[in-house]
Amino acid sequence: ETGVTQTPRHLVMGMTNKKSLKCEQHLGHNAMYWYKQSAKKPLELMFVYNFKEQTENNSVPSRFSPECPNSSHLFLHLHTLQPEDSALYLCASSLYRDTGELFFGEGSRLTVL
Amino acid sequence: AQSVTQPDIHITVSEGASLELRCNYSYGATPYLFWYVQSPGQGLQLLLKYFSGDTLVQGIKGFEAEFKRSQSSFNLRKPSVHWSDAAEYFCAVAPNDYKLSFGAGTTVTVRA
Repeated sequence: ETGVTQTPRHLVMGMTNKKSLKCEQHLGHNAMYWYKQSAKKPLELMFVYNFKEQTENNSVPSRFSPECPNSSHLFLHLHTLQPEDSALYLCASSLYRDTGELFFGEGSRLTVL
Repeated sequence: AQSVTQPDIHITVSEGASLELRCNYSYGATPYLFWYVQSPGQGLQLLLKYFSGDTLVQGIKGFEAEFKRSQSSFNLRKPSVHWSDAAEYFCAVAPNDYKLSFGAGTTVTVRA
């Protein structure tokens, strides 16, 4: 496999469920990101990891909990979400944190009922 | 406040016609500039980037963009659009650090 892979592609969950989104990159990159994409709004940066260390938490509610066990894997743990959290969640990676050249996965479409 | 503006929400263009997408930014200094494309059901893909030097930048898929400092703009162009260019296009800027700020996007529809 190459590139950035996200699973699952689609997820429907109730407000009381706990689920996780997974991202894996096969590019040898050192920085990984979570973005939230809502219709007709700019992409919102949620979290940044650089060499497995979290360097950015963009005021994201605690019901979103990221985890980065190594430079190739990134998770987003979800619990007690709200309907307004329904969106496309995009994972991205870059060789280094400061390049701005991101490689994106196809996203996980989340629907919260 | 720093911002990225894409004035056109939706553009419809005929196949074979030229395309220009506008992007304006508001920053104190010249940032790094990018254009990304998102095809339906896909993630974003980098089309081109400007860091410094020649203000006309060539990218993939036949796209180019021109940086105009005096207008704080970084407009994307393609001379002849193909049906496969139907997608959403995002302008993004990174000031003096890695934090990319994205515009809200422009949806391009290509008619036969």
